Amino acid sequence: AQSVTQLDSHVSVSEGTPVLLRCNYSSSYSPSLFWYVQHPNKGLQLLLKYTSAATLVKGINGFEAEFKKSETSFHLTKPSAHMSDAAEYFCVVSDWGTGNQFYFGTGTSLTVIP
Amino acid sequence: ETGVTQTPRHLVMGMTNKKSLKCEQHLGHNAMYWYKQSAKKPLELMFVYSLEERVENNSVPSRFSPECPNSSHLFLHLHTLQPEDSALYLCASSPGSDQPQHFGDGTRLSIL
Repeated sequence: AQSVTQLDSHVSVSEGTPVLLRCNYSSSYSPSLFWYVQHPNKGLQLLLKYTSAATLVKGINGFEAEFKKSETSFHLTKPSAHMSDAAEYFCVVSDWGTGNQFYFGTGTSLTVIP
Repeated sequence: ETGVTQTPRHLVMGMTNKKSLKCEQHLGHNAMYWYKQSAKKPLELMFVYSLEERVENNSVPSRFSPECPNSSHLFLHLHTLQPEDSALYLCASSPGSDQPQHFGDGTRLSIL
């Protein structure tokens, strides 16, 4: 069975400080993992994806994530938060064996304090 | 611009009305999806179409009826909805299994 756990429902950081959004997954196969961002009244936008290539994945807007199989984690990081990063972030897992099926985490709301 | 367009962006309807949500993509993707996003709840997958055939229906009430006439268009027909159906309805498409989804901006649905 596949599942995704986002460990924090809310994260607050000061502008210019690092961001860490945590995600753990369970998967029966070799997973593909994604992070999406959702700004208010908008759809979800892909930040980055891991599909069994390099374990450190770089995405848009300075975000990156590291796939750690031993820890079943795929945490999202950014060295320095910007006000425009305030949004909802979703971790998503997809397995080869599940067809067109994506499993979403419950989301982490990021607040950036000026 | 994600390549996935949803109309209308906002919809207010009474419980006895019939309306339809529309989703359109010209990305050449083979799979299309309907999701329901409610406040303080995880994203709920409603329907999946692959090559215009429905492959997933996660026990959605029959008052929601999807239609996929071709690979570029997806509809969600609404009939006799309940107040708890008020939510943001998101459409997405992907090239296929295991590929990232592209989302539209959603339709904000309010049931009076």
